[in-house]
Amino acid sequence: RKEVEQDPGPFNVPEGATVAFNCTYSNSASQSFFWYRQDCRKEPKLLMSVYSSGNEDGRFTAQLNRASQYISLLIRDSKLSDSATYLCVVNILSGTYKYIFGTGTRLKVLA
Amino acid sequence: DTAVSQTPKYLVTQMGNDKSIKCEQNLGHDTMYWYKQDSKKFLKIMFSYNNKELIINETVPNRFSPKSPDKAHLNLHINSLELGDSAVYFCASSSTRYEQYFGPGTRLTVT
Repeated sequence: RKEVEQDPGPFNVPEGATVAFNCTYSNSASQSFFWYRQDCRKEPKLLMSVYSSGNEDGRFTAQLNRASQYISLLIRDSKLSDSATYLCVVNILSGTYKYIFGTGTRLKVLA
Repeated sequence: DTAVSQTPKYLVTQMGNDKSIKCEQNLGHDTMYWYKQDSKKFLKIMFSYNNKELIINETVPNRFSPKSPDKAHLNLHINSLELGDSAVYFCASSSTRYEQYFGPGTRLTVT
């Protein structure tokens, strides 16, 4: 089983739709959680950190469920510019801190 | 005001050659990383340095040798390049377990 699992997609949604991605992690020593966005041929960029109480940044909402070991990302009112790959990242403590990346979920927002 | 920079951005070379990629960060972070992203887009950790000390060394051929002259720089030297080394190499930095910031990537093509 992969340490961090995501549905690769692609998720094709119309503009204005709400879309949600889930990510599951297997290591209970996971300490920090993040969502990154990666555009084609570009570097991953931090979208948001995920806090235990859940957090929101504009149209984006992230949630963490430690009991079930998953995190989610909700995008409301999708824009064409949201089209990208969304990477789930978990930081685990295994001797030292280590970041584990999911394979990413590809989103295409259609006009 | 670039945060994490890498050079070169593109590198095309022949099998058997030796090449280096340089990375610098001006964020004051204490930890730097090298990742490899292959054609399947999976981002995999190669090395991590904390205050110039190697703390993560994943299963990477010993043809790859990282060097950290100071905590703002982490270079990657690759000996005897092989076709399978073709990928995008990303440098990143962070403060211990907080979010990472990535460089723009070096697209390496071995012919």
